[in-house]
Amino acid sequence: DSGVTQTPKHLITATGQRVTLRCSPRSGDLSVYWYQQSLDQGLQFLIQYYNGEERAKGNILERFSAQQFPDLHSELNLSSLELGDSALYFCASSVGSQRINVLTFGAGSRLTVL
Amino acid sequence: GESVGLHLPTLSVQEGDNSIINCAYSNSASDYFIWYKQESGKGPQFIIDIRSNMDKRQGQRVTVLLNKTVKHLSLQIAATQPGDSAVYFCAENKPGGKLIFGQGTELSVKP
Repeated sequence: DSGVTQTPKHLITATGQRVTLRCSPRSGDLSVYWYQQSLDQGLQFLIQYYNGEERAKGNILERFSAQQFPDLHSELNLSSLELGDSALYFCASSVGSQRINVLTFGAGSRLTVL
Repeated sequence: GESVGLHLPTLSVQEGDNSIINCAYSNSASDYFIWYKQESGKGPQFIIDIRSNMDKRQGQRVTVLLNKTVKHLSLQIAATQPGDSAVYFCAENKPGGKLIFGQGTELSVKP
């Protein structure tokens, strides 16, 4: 157990729907990162939050959004889902947002869009 | 641009042999790299890291080598065991702490 908790572990939904993925960071970590892992794209950085504020954005679609709450947990919202959104979504956390960070990853949420 | 790539998508080794997994990067200003291991059904797990002011760093059964001249790093696993079977990623640390990952190499260990 890495200390980073992600729910749900598995999610099956239909195209056009909206889902929310949840992440609780490791105790003491202030930064949360979201990554998407698909077979053809590897691990793609989506977005980072630090202590409730957006810190960095990667290849995140406009249909996706995220936020980090005062208790530091984070949610990734995926809307107007398409077949290509089927992937593993990982959350990671780190102590801060310094130049050098080791990220601790959760076990991931597997999203299947039918 | 941001690019971290791996030379081989798969690597098969005999149990007990040494494994070498390679990674190339494109940004000569990159100064911190991390190797992660991802077992089936799990998230990536930190193995070892190295800063650009180092050429080599050793851990338990693992060694990372960094060649800044050719922008290449490698992960060496000594006496590879079945439990080492996984996908290995090199990652480049970017400002603010985000990681940019390579495509990964799948290591298979034959008994």
